[in-house]
Amino acid sequence: QVQLQESGPGLVKPSGTLSLTCDVSGYSITSDNWWTWIRQPPGKGLEWIGEIYRSGSTHYHPSLRGRVAISMDKFKNQFSLTLNSVTAADTALYYCARPIFGDNSWYFDLWGRGTLVIVSS
Amino acid sequence: SYELTQDPAVSVALGQTVRITCQGVNLRNYYATWYQQKPGQAPILVMYGRNTRPSGIPDRFSGSDSGGTPSLTITGAQAEDEADYYCSTRDSSNNSPRAVFGGGTRLTVL
Repeated sequence: QVQLQESGPGLVKPSGTLSLTCDVSGYSITSDNWWTWIRQPPGKGLEWIGEIYRSGSTHYHPSLRGRVAISMDKFKNQFSLTLNSVTAADTALYYCARPIFGDNSWYFDLWGRGTLVIVSS
Repeated sequence: SYELTQDPAVSVALGQTVRITCQGVNLRNYYATWYQQKPGQAPILVMYGRNTRPSGIPDRFSGSDSGGTPSLTITGAQAEDEADYYCSTRDSSNNSPRAVFGGGTRLTVL
């Protein structure tokens, strides 16, 4: 059974760096897949952050470019999110997910349970 | 840039049919996908492709793209269908593709 599990500090100071990891079990992250981070501010909708492919190729949300980086550790079978210069607007529930292309659509078939990150001093 | 628009809230009487729409999807590229999110839970995929339900999703859920507007229909809504529903697609219109989500529709089952 494939599972994704986010982990990382739940509290980050303003102007600090948010760092999260997604552990993938039951599936190799070096398979032919992208791996994604998505966030959801409290009481609001879903926002795609970015994605990484097994080659290391990445795509990021235009509004976060310059502050965000996604990387992967093939040996630990995990991928990570780093977000710099955080503000209260970055307070959100952060999810990792697996996007799949099929039937002419891109969809997220697997999600982690999410981890809440609060930006506060 | 790409924006997907959903009605913020919709209600349906128990056992009746409700349709949730998603404006802004360019169906020339990809079909919309739909997610259900209940309070305190991660989203789950309920529809993708032309009209494909993942395993475990009841057949009262169906998808369509009538008139170029994707929609998710629940035929015979149940109390457990009360949730937030998000549509999504992929924007590949420039050199930096990305996923896009609608703002979500809160479904209330009366």
